[in-house]
Amino acid sequence: QKEVEQDPGPLSVPEGAIVSLNCTYSNSAFQYFMWYRQYSRKGPELLMYTYSSGNKEDGRFTAQVDKSSKYISLFIRDSQPSDSATYLCAMKETSGSRLTFGEGTQLTVNP
Amino acid sequence: SQTIHQWPATLVQPVGSPLSLECTVEGTSNPNLYWYRQAAGRGLQLLFYSVGIGQISSEVPQNLSASRPQDRQFILSSKKLLLSDSGFYLCAWSIRGGNYGYTFGSGTRLTVV
Repeated sequence: QKEVEQDPGPLSVPEGAIVSLNCTYSNSAFQYFMWYRQYSRKGPELLMYTYSSGNKEDGRFTAQVDKSSKYISLFIRDSQPSDSATYLCAMKETSGSRLTFGEGTQLTVNP
Repeated sequence: SQTIHQWPATLVQPVGSPLSLECTVEGTSNPNLYWYRQAAGRGLQLLFYSVGIGQISSEVPQNLSASRPQDRQFILSSKKLLLSDSGFYLCAWSIRGGNYGYTFGSGTRLTVV
């Protein structure tokens, strides 16, 4: 079993929809949680970063961490065609610097 | 501000030829440095990471090697490329501890023919 599971999609939504992207994990030592966005043929860029449980909002993006369920989510409100990309979750224990990545979810927002 | 440079952007190499991909970081000191490979439609595979000059940890035994000759320079090499070495190679850096995530370069798309 992988430490981090992420539905690969593809996920296709109409413009303006609310998008929910999710990851589950098995390692209870994970304390740092991140979401990356990767456009085709580009390197991943960090979108959101959270520590421990709770919500964090940045514009149209909200990251949610539920450590009791070992489940994290990224919500995109009012989705735009420019949000079309692959979204990767990543997690890290307190010690060390190793990030564990999900396989990524491919999202397409249709105009 | 910190920036990461990775080149070349694309590369087509014949089987059996050598490889050298270079990555440099600006605006920070003593970064952790990483090389990843991403196959088409797949996740990120960590190949090597380095916490200092000359200190390289290999994650996957394979046809590749890495070197860190300077604090902010990371090089990925191969003496003889295989077809299976094709992929999208990404360099990344982080502060010590990596608690704030990694910053990735723009990647090199390598095709071995």
